Amino acid sequence: EAQVTQNPRYLITVTGKKLTVTCSQNMNHEYMSWYRQDPGLGLRQIYYSMNVEVTDKGDVPEGYKVSRKEKRNFPLILESPSPNQTSLYFCASSEGLAGLDEQFFGPGTRLTVL
Amino acid sequence: AQKITQTQPGMFVQEKEAVTLDCTYDTSDPSYGLFWYKQPSSGEMIFLIYQGSYDQQNATEGRYSLNFQKARKSANLVISASQLGDSAMYFCAMRGWEVTSGTYKYIFGTGTRLKVLA
Repeated sequence: EAQVTQNPRYLITVTGKKLTVTCSQNMNHEYMSWYRQDPGLGLRQIYYSMNVEVTDKGDVPEGYKVSRKEKRNFPLILESPSPNQTSLYFCASSEGLAGLDEQFFGPGTRLTVL
Repeated sequence: AQKITQTQPGMFVQEKEAVTLDCTYDTSDPSYGLFWYKQPSSGEMIFLIYQGSYDQQNATEGRYSLNFQKARKSANLVISASQLGDSAMYFCAMRGWEVTSGTYKYIFGTGTRLKVLA
């Protein structure tokens, strides 16, 4: 089944404790992206990647890191989480290099930073 | 900078009626894509419909159609014959090259919460 998986689905952590949210897709998509969703703000792009070893900042990259060492995986790293990073996070992928195709979304990760 | 605006925070529609969800956009990229996604209360994001900036005809997918008015920079979603299962949050999104930042950006509107009444 074609899908984007994220883990964990739910995470409660404390300020400053490094964490990683994994994202994996099995569709051989070139383009992958991370978003955060906050009430009243819609989805905002954090980082995206157009290919292996190619990543770029979205609209809200501060406090986040990503890597794309393999085509299928695109982990999101929070080196020192803060309460303002409490949010619902989505990973997404699409076929085209420019992401002009529809994006397939993971199920979301609900993160709470205390 | 690119921008997507959804001015309707919430809407009601009677079952079996049609409803239009508004979306306006702004971009300097001549080649862009417009998307609509549905987010039910369960939280997943579901792709509904896509319109390319060079597409001459309005996109349609089953009961969904996109009313694309390029000169007005609007991309409204029309849902015909509404069903109770259409109750959800709907997001308009755009994909294009942002000259100021020199990057491809994928941006979303703030969403419209649709409630279908029986």
